[in-house]
Amino acid sequence: DAGVTQSPTHLIKTRGQQVTLRCSPKSGHDTVSWYQQALGQGPQFIFQYYEEEERQRGNFPDRFSGHQFPNYSSELNVNALLLGDSALYLCASSLEGGRKFFGPGTRLTVL
Amino acid sequence: GQQLNQSPQSMFIQEGEDVSMNCTSSSIFNTWLWYKQDPGEGPVLLIALYKAGELTSNGRLTAQFGITRKDSFLNISASIPSDVGIYFCAGQLGGGGADGLTFGKGTHLIIQP
Repeated sequence: DAGVTQSPTHLIKTRGQQVTLRCSPKSGHDTVSWYQQALGQGPQFIFQYYEEEERQRGNFPDRFSGHQFPNYSSELNVNALLLGDSALYLCASSLEGGRKFFGPGTRLTVL
Repeated sequence: GQQLNQSPQSMFIQEGEDVSMNCTSSSIFNTWLWYKQDPGEGPVLLIALYKAGELTSNGRLTAQFGITRKDSFLNISASIPSDVGIYFCAGQLGGGGADGLTFGKGTHLIIQP
């Protein structure tokens, strides 16, 4: 049984570009959350998707958007990249309200 | 964004020693969680606490949910080399639409042989 998978593993972009990160949840899970983890910090909640809708959002600007597909996989999109967007982006999946399982993350570097 | 106050920031200990770390918040949470993160991996859940005052163990790990619902602590007894890593506390309000986790900045545990 595969756990949470994320792609790509690493990504380098330049300021102003747009990026899409992908997450496949653990088998049977219907809820996906995204977190941003800057170097030396704890993860910060971006948003959560359930039944293809954004259900809860953290304190992140509209440049951060997402999508959940009918198979429960999810994408995180970030527009107009800033240097400060450089971070590890973590995806976590769960059954609604249940224990969250984190993926290994995508390391985004913005130059 | 908000982060919980987690201390200490780092710990240098000898193998076999006990470890204590804690987490405080200005807000109430209904669930407290403790995670461990190894390099190149996502956080892995160690212990979940669901009731104020609850004391829960998982092997050599023991955690407590503070009575005020604004704090929690984690103890590790008889540390071993594989305990090295970064430990995070996280609070969760829970309930429909409030499932996101608020994390601390982490405690970096280093074990000296």
